[in-house]
Amino acid sequence: DQQVKQNSPSLSVQEGRISILNCDYTNSMFDYFLWYKKYPAEGPTFLISISSIKDKNEDGRFTVFLNKSAKHLSLHIVPSQPGDSAVYFCAARFGNSGNTPLVFGKGTRLSVIA
Amino acid sequence: EAQVTQNPRYLITVTGKKLTVTCSQNMNHEYMSWYRQDPGLGLRQIYYSMNVEVTDKGDVPEGYKVSRKEKRNFPLILESPSPNQTSLYFCASKGAGDTYEQYFGPGTRLTVT
Repeated sequence: DQQVKQNSPSLSVQEGRISILNCDYTNSMFDYFLWYKKYPAEGPTFLISISSIKDKNEDGRFTVFLNKSAKHLSLHIVPSQPGDSAVYFCAARFGNSGNTPLVFGKGTRLSVIA
Repeated sequence: EAQVTQNPRYLITVTGKKLTVTCSQNMNHEYMSWYRQDPGLGLRQIYYSMNVEVTDKGDVPEGYKVSRKEKRNFPLILESPSPNQTSLYFCASKGAGDTYEQYFGPGTRLTVT
């Protein structure tokens, strides 16, 4: 049973427009959420995170929104740039220890078209 | 430069021939982990280690072994590889405490024929 779901395998967006990547989770015990970006032939790199006590976290062009009642989070990229083309993984963690394993979604491939 | 390194980056082997994929980090991190990435399945955790001599199973540990004799190294061992272990493998590390960000290595693409 998949606890972190990214239901869109791929997304195409025009350069300069907003990219919205979605993630749903089933376990209400998750208390921290992260987004990772992955380019081909590289390992995933951390992008942005949000604690379950917040509903929004912003870092430059990247904003993550959390809707706990809907068990849904989204990553907004504004404006989208061709260099944002990558696979984006949503991840979640539960428990009160920083060493609890992360649970990853399957990823969404974003293509930003110039 | 802070990094996680993996070797080899690419490996083609045959069923049953033991192999080891090495992982090393230079950030003095306590926590290290191995993942495999397969099409349509995302990243799945194989094993993790909270510190030296402390290892635990992740979601898909079958067919794998790990050891953590030193803080910086966390090798992944396939005693008898099978074709279903053909995958892209990532090692990751993280500092102690309430930091959540994991640093990933560049990946090892393994093909078992």
